Amino acid sequence: GAVVSQHPSRVICKSGTSVKIECRSLDFQATTMFWYRQFPKQSLMLMATSNEGSKATYEQGVEKDKFLINHASLTLSTLTVTSAHPEDSSFYICSAREDEQFFGPGTRLTVL
Amino acid sequence: SQQGEEDPQALSIQEGENATMNCSYKTSINNLQWYRQNSGRGLVHLILIRSNEREKHSGRLRVTLDTSKKSSSLLITASRAADTASYFCATFSMDTGRRALTFGSGTRLQVQP
Repeated sequence: GAVVSQHPSRVICKSGTSVKIECRSLDFQATTMFWYRQFPKQSLMLMATSNEGSKATYEQGVEKDKFLINHASLTLSTLTVTSAHPEDSSFYICSAREDEQFFGPGTRLTVL
Repeated sequence: SQQGEEDPQALSIQEGENATMNCSYKTSINNLQWYRQNSGRGLVHLILIRSNEREKHSGRLRVTLDTSKKSSSLLITASRAADTASYFCATFSMDTGRRALTFGSGTRLQVQP
């Protein structure tokens, strides 16, 4: 099956810093990628849809200025958590393709 | 986004027993998928069932879909300790114009050796 990678797999940072997470489709081109967030013991919630060459579409309640998404190529989308705070600590997962989505392994963000 | 509901929220069984998890959803769908997630890890795709299918098998997994009731079930037969994980259903619907998957709340399965 198609492979999606994420980097880094784990990051710990101080409050107020910005963190960039990369999502790559390794063996296919993805015009659309999706970013999800998962808090402990909860399900995945869609944050935004990343569109190659255009602006991302954010879900209600997700601050676009805080979670910057860039989809500059057909194989790479990045999510930048700006001025991260402890409440942003979560598991961030990206996926690509549509009806059958392939998920990255996730990035665990811990903000101290 | 509106999530589907899964029940039970948690399930504990003995190795060798069957485990059944149920998922209900709200909108019409094109397909429904089941995923497994080990604690703190990424998602593993288990099976996809399309809206015109009623039942699908893959190894020890059996998935049913009842679009009239907007529900699906996942049966794991002859469970093993390694099946311990959280299981999520996720729906895909073109009608909503929302191309991402909508996930259910998940079932935490514990298989006792």
